[in-house]
Amino acid sequence: AQKVTQAQTEISVVEKEDVTLDCVYETRDTTYYLFWYKQPPSGELVFLIRRNSFDEQNEISGRYSWNFQKSTSSFNFTITASQVVDSAVYFCALSVNRDDKIIFGKGTRLHILP
Amino acid sequence: SQTIHQWPATLVQPVGSPLSLECTVEGTSNPNLYWYRQAAGRGLQLLFYSVGIGQISSEVPQNLSASRPQDRQFILSSKKLLLSDSGFYLCAWSVEMRSGPTSYEQYFGPGTRLTVT
Repeated sequence: AQKVTQAQTEISVVEKEDVTLDCVYETRDTTYYLFWYKQPPSGELVFLIRRNSFDEQNEISGRYSWNFQKSTSSFNFTITASQVVDSAVYFCALSVNRDDKIIFGKGTRLHILP
Repeated sequence: SQTIHQWPATLVQPVGSPLSLECTVEGTSNPNLYWYRQAAGRGLQLLFYSVGIGQISSEVPQNLSASRPQDRQFILSSKKLLLSDSGFYLCAWSVEMRSGPTSYEQYFGPGTRLTVT
């Protein structure tokens, strides 16, 4: 069975600080996909990134970066120089090869304080 | 480009009343479609998903049902609402898997906030 754990329920940091959101996943499949979504106060989930299990390269997109480590089954998300607009709930998710469903973690609520 | 619509945006319904939430997708064919519910301050719960017209998979037994009368239309219904049905309902779509990539991300609509009183 697949599982996604986001141990941090809620995080608060002061603006301009860096913050890392942790994600640990479980699966026995060798082919799988990992995702991060952002849910701002408006409610709509916004897709941020997809990573497949064969690509362990870290990715950077502006102030966002993702660290995928198969050895520790982790897919962590770092926001550099955080801004108030980054305040949201962030979900990590997993799907396995040819499965129609995505397994979501419970989310981490991030507060960026001005 | 693809877009996904949900309506209504907000809804207040009394206990025991019926429910119909609609979701439509534009700009793609044969999408997989999903209904999720998010209770206040909680995570996402997958309710139903559909890989084609008339094909519905139920994830959680409850008083809700789903239908897919057209390729890009997904409807969530209830004959009699319960207080516990209150929540934020999200519709999502993804690329159809069988002839496409092995797995792809889901794209979400703006959601419907339902309050049962």
